[in-house]
Amino acid sequence: DAGVIQSPRHEVTEMGQEVTLRCKPISGHDYLFWYRQTMMRGLELLIYFNNNVPIDDSGMPEDRFSAKMPNASFSTLKIQPSEPRDSAVYFCASTTGANTEAFFGQGTRLTVV
Amino acid sequence: AQSVTQLGSHVSVSEGALVLLRCNYSSSVPPYLFWYVQYPNQGLQLLLKYTTGATLVKGINGFEAEFKKSETSFHLTKPSAHMSDAAEYFCAVRALFGNEKLTFGTGTRLTIIP
Repeated sequence: DAGVIQSPRHEVTEMGQEVTLRCKPISGHDYLFWYRQTMMRGLELLIYFNNNVPIDDSGMPEDRFSAKMPNASFSTLKIQPSEPRDSAVYFCASTTGANTEAFFGQGTRLTVV
Repeated sequence: AQSVTQLGSHVSVSEGALVLLRCNYSSSVPPYLFWYVQYPNQGLQLLLKYTTGATLVKGINGFEAEFKKSETSFHLTKPSAHMSDAAEYFCAVRALFGNEKLTFGTGTRLTIIP
């Protein structure tokens, strides 16, 4: 199993541009999570899906952030327009209802200049 | 809602010394508890987990943790630190029923002194 795959690994963009982060969960996993990691706030859960349906998006910081899961093998996190304070590492994780732990991708390091 | 508190954002130990990283949880019922490790520029890797049953849990790389309900704690230990243990460690909690999301502590950066 290839694990959770995120792309790109690094993204540098200018303020105001649209950014799209991508995630492929582990095959067979029906829960998908998006986390953001910063020095100031640590690991924050932004949103999670079950069977492609958003269950809890209370952690999404602003309307500039949106996430979709069009099918069981793909999810996107979009920021439009991006701002310097969005600079962070964004992690995707997946699990099943039978598992207790979540499996994490390598993360996308986003820098907004 | 569940939460975890990690005492000490930075811990330094000498190579060969005991490693002790502290985690206390807050939950109305005993939850699932986890320790994850993050190496520089990497994702999070599961070290060990407590679900039910034995309260002393053994994980990878010689780490173990003990669930103590009376103290609402889940401290991580390793008898003898190795240079390769230098990393950031996160305690996390998940509810037993109805909510699969993991809530993380603020992390403890472990430094190993040669």
